[in-house]
Amino acid sequence: AQSVTQPDIHITVSEGASLELRCNYSYGATPYLFWYVQSPGQGLQLLLKYFSGDTLVQGIKGFEAEFKRSQSSFNLRKPSVHWSDAAEYFCAVGETEGGKLIFGQGTELSVKP
Amino acid sequence: GAVVSQHPSRVICKSGTSVKIECRSLDFQATTMFWYRQFPKQSLMLMATSNEGSKATYEQGVEKDKFLINHASLTLSTLTVTSAHPEDSSFYICSVQGFSNQPQHFGDGTRLSIL
Repeated sequence: AQSVTQPDIHITVSEGASLELRCNYSYGATPYLFWYVQSPGQGLQLLLKYFSGDTLVQGIKGFEAEFKRSQSSFNLRKPSVHWSDAAEYFCAVGETEGGKLIFGQGTELSVKP
Repeated sequence: GAVVSQHPSRVICKSGTSVKIECRSLDFQATTMFWYRQFPKQSLMLMATSNEGSKATYEQGVEKDKFLINHASLTLSTLTVTSAHPEDSSFYICSVQGFSNQPQHFGDGTRLSIL
C-alpha cells in the first residue's frame, strides 16, 4: 500500500541552526514527491518537488530535499532556520505531478529565539 | 496572486444544518479538483476527486450522500456537508489539479465548526 511516514511529530530548533525533517515513503512505482508547508489556519504552499533527475532539489525559502531511492526517503533540509519557518510541514507522494496526493502525518516545527 | 479561492474561510452553524463550501480556480480551467479534510493536529486526508461534468470519485470511508460534490463548471467545485453534526467539524481544503504537469494549487481552507 502507498504510504508516507514522517517520524517526527514535533521538532524544535534554535534560530540559525540547521534543520532536517524526515520523510519515508512506500510506493510501487517511481513516485512524485513533494514537500508542503502550512501556516496555522491556512492552506498549503509547495516548497519543492521531485520526480526525476538530480536527486538534490532546491526549493523556495532556502529549502532543499534529497531523494534517496535506496532508503525510500525524501528528507527536507535548511542550513539556517529563521523564526518565520515555524509551521507545519507535510511530505506527500503522488503518481502524477498534479494528481491526488497521499500526505504524511506532518511535522510541526518550532523555532527558538 | 492566489490561484485558488476557497469560500467561506470560516463557518459556524448549528447541528443539522447543511453547509456549502466553494472552491474556485482563478487562473485556469480545472477539470479536476480535490477535497481534503484535516482534523486538528492531523494530516490531510483526501475525501474525493471532483471531476467537471461527471460524478465525483470518493475515497473509501467517505459518505457520498453526506458530502455532496458538484463540479458544474471548469472553475468551480462545491462541497456541501449535509445535515452537519459536531463530528463533521474540521478544516476542509480544496485543491486544483495542476495544468500541463504542474503541481496542485491549494485553497486557504474552510474552518467548519458545528455546534
